[in-house]
Amino acid sequence: DAGVTQSPTHLIKTRGQQVTLRCSPKSGHDTVSWYQQALGQGPQFIFQYYEEEERQRGNFPDRFSGHQFPNYSSELNVNALLLGDSALYLCASSLGVPSGHEQFFGPGTRLTVL
Amino acid sequence: AQRVTQPEKLLSVFKGAPVELKCNYSYSGSPELFWYVQYSRQRLQLLLRHISRESIKGFTADLNKGETSFHLKKPFAQEEDSAMYYCALSVYGATNKLIFGTGTLLAVQP
Repeated sequence: DAGVTQSPTHLIKTRGQQVTLRCSPKSGHDTVSWYQQALGQGPQFIFQYYEEEERQRGNFPDRFSGHQFPNYSSELNVNALLLGDSALYLCASSLGVPSGHEQFFGPGTRLTVL
Repeated sequence: AQRVTQPEKLLSVFKGAPVELKCNYSYSGSPELFWYVQYSRQRLQLLLRHISRESIKGFTADLNKGETSFHLKKPFAQEEDSAMYYCALSVYGATNKLIFGTGTLLAVQP
């Protein structure tokens, strides 16, 4: 099991563009959470998907949207990119949504907005 | 509001010295607390959680609800402990959404 995988590894975009990041959860996991980690900061929760629905959302604008597919993989979409969206985007998977269930993190996608 | 505070950005100690990484949280209910670690060029991984009361790689952490703290301790630091450490909180009984602190870089000198 490769664990949580994310693609691409790195991405460079310009302001105003749109980007899609992808995540495949650890085998057997059905829940995917997305986090944004700005330089020098801890990861910040964006949203969580379970049973193909957004179950919870952090304090991020509607420019950030997502999707979960029947095979539990997930996409994070960001529209109208801003310079401040430059960050490491982490995907984490777990089995179910209850607290206490360990989240396993992927290696992240480094997004640079110029 | 739920918040996690790690007051030290960098903690530098010598090999064999005791280590204490500080973590304070703000939450009025029953939190679940975690320590995550990120070694160089590796992904973020769970080190320990308060609910399991385990000792992992010699590290321990006790939840102090009176002081709202969850400090990470190790009696004798090893060079391989050098890494970025994040304290995180989730709300007991709810989803496993994590609220992270800003992290502390532990540097163990030979």
